[in-house]
Amino acid sequence: DAGVIQSPRHEVTEMGQEVTLRCKPISGHNSLFWYRQTMMRGLELLIYFNNNVPIDDSGMPEDRFSAKMPNASFSTLKIQPSEPRDSAVYFCASSPNRGNVNEKLFFGSGTQLSVL
Amino acid sequence: DQQVKQNSPSLSVQEGRISILNCDYTNSMFDYFLWYKKYPAEGPTFLISISSIKDKNEDGRFTVFLNKSAKHLSLHIVPSQPGDSAVYFCAASTFYNTDKLIFGTGTRLQVFP
Repeated sequence: DAGVIQSPRHEVTEMGQEVTLRCKPISGHNSLFWYRQTMMRGLELLIYFNNNVPIDDSGMPEDRFSAKMPNASFSTLKIQPSEPRDSAVYFCASSPNRGNVNEKLFFGSGTQLSVL
Repeated sequence: DQQVKQNSPSLSVQEGRISILNCDYTNSMFDYFLWYKKYPAEGPTFLISISSIKDKNEDGRFTVFLNKSAKHLSLHIVPSQPGDSAVYFCAASTFYNTDKLIFGTGTRLQVFP
């Protein structure tokens, strides 16, 4: 059973370039989350979707960040233009979201982003 | 504004001894708590959880304790093994938004022989 799949695993780009991170959640999971991991702030929630609809994007740091979920099996996180301070590991996670039940998240392996 | 805090960035423990990882939270609306474990180059994986109606939950070598009045939880690993060396994240969610997990900054545990 495939888990959450993220691509690319590593991305190195130059400041000012557009970066697109991709995620395929676990089939049947209704919620999808984008997290960013840094040493200073740990795992920060950037945005999450429920049934493909963005529910909470309060964690998105700036207008340079945008996320989409065009269907239940695909999501993108885009940074345009990228800056060196965006360098971090970006994780996608999904959960079954079976209503008012505490669910655990299933994480992908992450994308290591380096902006030079 | 860090609602979930792990004040110890690292911990080093000898194999066979107890590892105690701590987590504090500020939001009194949190009612469900989880611990995740993360190895290098992998995503975090779920380890153990506890509801606010309990003060202890045990799963094999792992036990989580919750002190609601102090807004504090801890993860005990007994006995510690070298394979437990990883980063451990504490996370919490509220009763009105069970799907949204807020994570701490993590504690890197190293278990040495």
